[in-house]
Amino acid sequence: DAGVIQSPRHEVTEMGQEVTLRCKPISGHNSLFWYRQTMMRGLELLIYFNNNVPIDDSGMPEDRFSAKMPNASFSTLKIQPSEPRDSAVYFCASSGDSNYEQYFGPGTRLTVT
Amino acid sequence: GEDVEQSLFLSVREGDSSVINCTYTDSSSTYLYWYKQEPGAGLQLLTYIFSNMDMKQDQRLTVLLNKKDKHLSLRIADTQTGDSAIYFCAELGRNYGQNFVFGPGTRLSVLP
Repeated sequence: DAGVIQSPRHEVTEMGQEVTLRCKPISGHNSLFWYRQTMMRGLELLIYFNNNVPIDDSGMPEDRFSAKMPNASFSTLKIQPSEPRDSAVYFCASSGDSNYEQYFGPGTRLTVT
Repeated sequence: GEDVEQSLFLSVREGDSSVINCTYTDSSSTYLYWYKQEPGAGLQLLTYIFSNMDMKQDQRLTVLLNKKDKHLSLRIADTQTGDSAIYFCAELGRNYGQNFVFGPGTRLSVLP
């Protein structure tokens, strides 16, 4: 199994630009999570989906952030417009029917200048 | 709400045992986890323990759970330089859907 796949691994963009992060969960997993990691705030849950439906998006910082899961094998996290304070590592994770093992992708390091 | 706390730093000598501690507040936690994060990498699931257990051993790793005190620990025997990483404690609460709550992470430094 390839594990959770995220792209790109690194993204550098200018303030005001749109950024789209992508995630492919482990095949057969039905829950998907987006996290953000910074030195100041640690690991924060942004949103999670179950069977492609957003269950809890209370961690999404503001309206500039949006996430979609059009099918069981793909999700996007979009930031529009991006700001320097969005610079962080964004992780995607997935879990299966058992729901008690969560596997992380390698992360996307976002730098907004 | 749920909260998970850990000390932020731990240094040990190579070959010694490391003990990383964690406390949590959710008494309904069903599973408790230890994740390892190496520099520039994602979080790797190391081990987990179900709340009705008090100990789990997996090779050099021993997890101890004191449910009464809401205290979880991870012992790494014969610590190696490759064990240097950040270790995250996490809980999965029964009343919290599928949401994991992570601690701030403990940075383990292994000195030669």
